[in-house]
Amino acid sequence: EPEVTQTPSHQVTQMGQEVILRCVPISNHLYFYWYRQILGQKVEFLVSFYNNEISEKSEIFDDQFSVERPDGSNFTLKIRSTKLEDSAMYFCASSRGQETQYFGPGTRLLVL
Amino acid sequence: GENVEQHPSTLSVQEGDSAVIKCTYSDSASNYFPWYKQELGKRPQLIIDIRSNVGEKKDQRIAVTLNKTAKHFSLHITETQPEDSAVYFCAAGTGGAGSYQLTFGKGTKLSVIP
Repeated sequence: EPEVTQTPSHQVTQMGQEVILRCVPISNHLYFYWYRQILGQKVEFLVSFYNNEISEKSEIFDDQFSVERPDGSNFTLKIRSTKLEDSAMYFCASSRGQETQYFGPGTRLLVL
Repeated sequence: GENVEQHPSTLSVQEGDSAVIKCTYSDSASNYFPWYKQELGKRPQLIIDIRSNVGEKKDQRIAVTLNKTAKHFSLHITETQPEDSAVYFCAAGTGGAGSYQLTFGKGTKLSVIP
């Protein structure tokens, strides 16, 4: 069964550095999402992407965040200048239609 | 925006007993309600979902009920097994033109005692 994949599984960075988290959604899916989960807390929506543009974003997704689908398979989340509070597990998800979302394994980001 | 409350935060049951987790939501426009199971350090996995035009859905030992009037929905697991132990998250989805933004509850840690 196809799954969403994410790289890297872990990333450690210094505060102020840029990071790019990568995702490969399920191949015939059309909707792509990023969520984050701070340790021990609930999953929080960041952004959704459809038809090569952002369709929804939360208040967490400020100017420091951006998303891109650089080719037909990858979907990336960039954090321009990381802050300590960006430390979290970041999950990519994809869906074929507008409902059932399948999550990737996550990237654990630690900002020092 | 949408707010989802989930109870209880922890739940311990004996193997073979039933477990019930309840969620309420605030936005009457929400029309999609998935449940995810997350084992420690792993991805959330969809276990069942329900849409607002349906009151109940069942899949083997798992069932979900939805009361749109009261804005609450529940997950029922019967004949629990140790492998059901995990954190369960409910979510509510409000569809826009291009996607469903999911708002999650805080999770319920279910422990099934052998």
